Amino acid sequence: KQEVTQIPAALSVPEGENLVLNCSFTDSAIYNLQWFRQDPGKGLTSLLLIQSSQREQTSGRLNASLDKSSGRSTLYIAASQPGDSATYLCAQETSNDYKLSFGAGTTVTVRA
Amino acid sequence: NAGVTQTPKFQVLKTGQSMTLQCAQDMNHNSMYWYRQDPGMGLRLIYYSASEGTTDKGEVPNGYNVSRLNKREFSLRLESAAPSQTSVYFCATQSGRVNEQYFGPGTRLTVT
Repeated sequence: KQEVTQIPAALSVPEGENLVLNCSFTDSAIYNLQWFRQDPGKGLTSLLLIQSSQREQTSGRLNASLDKSSGRSTLYIAASQPGDSATYLCAQETSNDYKLSFGAGTTVTVRA
Repeated sequence: NAGVTQTPKFQVLKTGQSMTLQCAQDMNHNSMYWYRQDPGMGLRLIYYSASEGTTDKGEVPNGYNVSRLNKREFSLRLESAAPSQTSVYFCATQSGRVNEQYFGPGTRLTVT
């Protein structure tokens, strides 16, 4: 059973600082990795999807990297803003099925 | 477009009662999923349907049944609710394996 780990569970930074969120996965047969954002009491919103053949994806201030050899993905958020405060979850899909395995998430607070 | 809708938004059940959670999508996606989210545990897959007419068990299927009524609708049924099923339930859809999953707003279920 693949496991997805996100450390730390919570993070607080001042506005303007760059955010670095980590995701570790154990299954080398990765098909893709997705990063999601979840606001309190809401559903998940997909931020970035990295296919196994890719090393990174970028969208605006967000950049996600994928290193299959080390089993790690990193989400970078440049110049953080209070509106970036949310829980960020990563999820791994393996090659042999359609299922996503989620990490428990990192809750980010950006202080104004 | 409404995207992914879930009903009801909130529900309180007594132990032993039954209920059906409804999910509908207007995105013409083939795959649909039911997850539960519990504090500190991330999302866990209950059941999924890779395409109309098929359903498969996920990580935590015990105590649940599903029906893929048509391409648009995927329902989750609790036949005899237990306090351990108190959770937030999310429905998600996906058009294909290279694409993101899209989530509904969730149903908050409390079983007393």
